[in-house]
Amino acid sequence: QKEVEQNSGPLSVPEGAIASLNCTYSDRGSQSFFWYRQYSGKSPELIMSIYSNGDKEDGRFTAQLNKASQYVSLLIRDSQPSDSATYLCAVIVDRGSTLGRLYFGRGTQLTVWP
Amino acid sequence: ETGVTQTPRHLVMGMTNKKSLKCEQHLGHNAMYWYKQSAKKPLELMFVYSLEERVENNSVPSRFSPECPNSSHLFLHLHTLQPEDSALYLCASSQDHPSQETQYFGPGTRLLVL
Repeated sequence: QKEVEQNSGPLSVPEGAIASLNCTYSDRGSQSFFWYRQYSGKSPELIMSIYSNGDKEDGRFTAQLNKASQYVSLLIRDSQPSDSATYLCAVIVDRGSTLGRLYFGRGTQLTVWP
Repeated sequence: ETGVTQTPRHLVMGMTNKKSLKCEQHLGHNAMYWYKQSAKKPLELMFVYSLEERVENNSVPSRFSPECPNSSHLFLHLHTLQPEDSALYLCASSQDHPSQETQYFGPGTRLLVL
């Protein structure tokens, strides 16, 4: 079983703060990494994908990948109450034989209070 | 319609009923997936179809039967389900190509088995 680990939270930050979400994975063959946001009762929606070591920024979101340490993180700057949701880390492993097999973490619940 | 659509959005069925879930993707993708999301558990992959062929069956009980008549449509046929099968069933699609394998999810079907 390939494992993706996340702190379940809840993580609570004030509006305007930086929220930091972390994820570790067990399989060194992992190549593609994704962050999804899921509001209560809704389906996951993609926030960011990252494939190479380093940082990738998109608006208020920054994904960070460190393959040597097997972790991927998501930073949310200037957090807003509308960012309150569960954030799912997902990893693809062995794309050659397991087409698009995403392994999901349990998710971290984020609450941004006004 | 855009993206990935699923019907019905909510379903209540008895253990002796037969029902089907439908998924349709309008993204031109060639791979489709069924996931199950239960409370307090990570998303669980059930089935993967690539170019209308089933490429993965993740040890799912036979009371769940998938069907993929073409690359845009995916069904999940349900019969003699158990109460523990109550969950959110999510369909997703992607393109089977490196760096394009991001999966996009439909809104899900909330299933309650009585």
